[in-house]
Amino acid sequence: AQSVTQLDSQVPVFEEAPVELRCNYSSSVSVYLFWYVQYPNQGLQLLLKYLSGSTLVKGINGFEAEFNKSQTSFHLRKPSVHISDTAEYFCAVGRHGGKLIFGQGTELSVKP
Amino acid sequence: DTAVSQTPKYLVTQMGNDKSIKCEQNLGHDTMYWYKQDSKKFLKIMFSYNNKELIINETVPNRFSPKSPDKAHLNLHINSLELGDSAVYFCASSPRGGFQETQYFGPGTRLLVL
Repeated sequence: AQSVTQLDSQVPVFEEAPVELRCNYSSSVSVYLFWYVQYPNQGLQLLLKYLSGSTLVKGINGFEAEFNKSQTSFHLRKPSVHISDTAEYFCAVGRHGGKLIFGQGTELSVKP
Repeated sequence: DTAVSQTPKYLVTQMGNDKSIKCEQNLGHDTMYWYKQDSKKFLKIMFSYNNKELIINETVPNRFSPKSPDKAHLNLHINSLELGDSAVYFCASSPRGGFQETQYFGPGTRLLVL
């Protein structure tokens, strides 16, 4: 069975600092990987996704993620965060029928 | 224009009551989903429908019954509400239900059972 593990439940960081949110997946078959963001009291929206091809994926709001098959990881990065990036971030793997299996989420808290 | 909308946004009710949550999407998608987000923010799929046909039915108590009158609507009816049903319920949609597709989420319905 596929699963997704987000290694950090909370990540506090100062404004303009770089950040990395870690995600590992387990799968014996091809994977389709996603990062979604949930701003306070809102629904989720897609940041980026990896389907195939280049292992470095660029998304919205300056975020990017790198697919690493040997380490079964899909870590999310941003070189300089803003206060407005404060949100919950979810890594997910896509399964048949459109089912998304989510990680536990990482709360990014950006402080001035 | 709101792509995926849910009503109500907040729902406070007593144990044992029956309630419904409505979801509508205007994206022209064939597939719609219900997710439950618990108090620890963990998200889990409950159901999915493709063009009014049930595709995914996770291990959910049969007190939960989804209904899709047409492919733009997916409602969730909950009978005999229990304290453990308190959560945020999200509706989502995607073009055809492929596992590589982006899903578009509604704003959520915050259910509190007292």
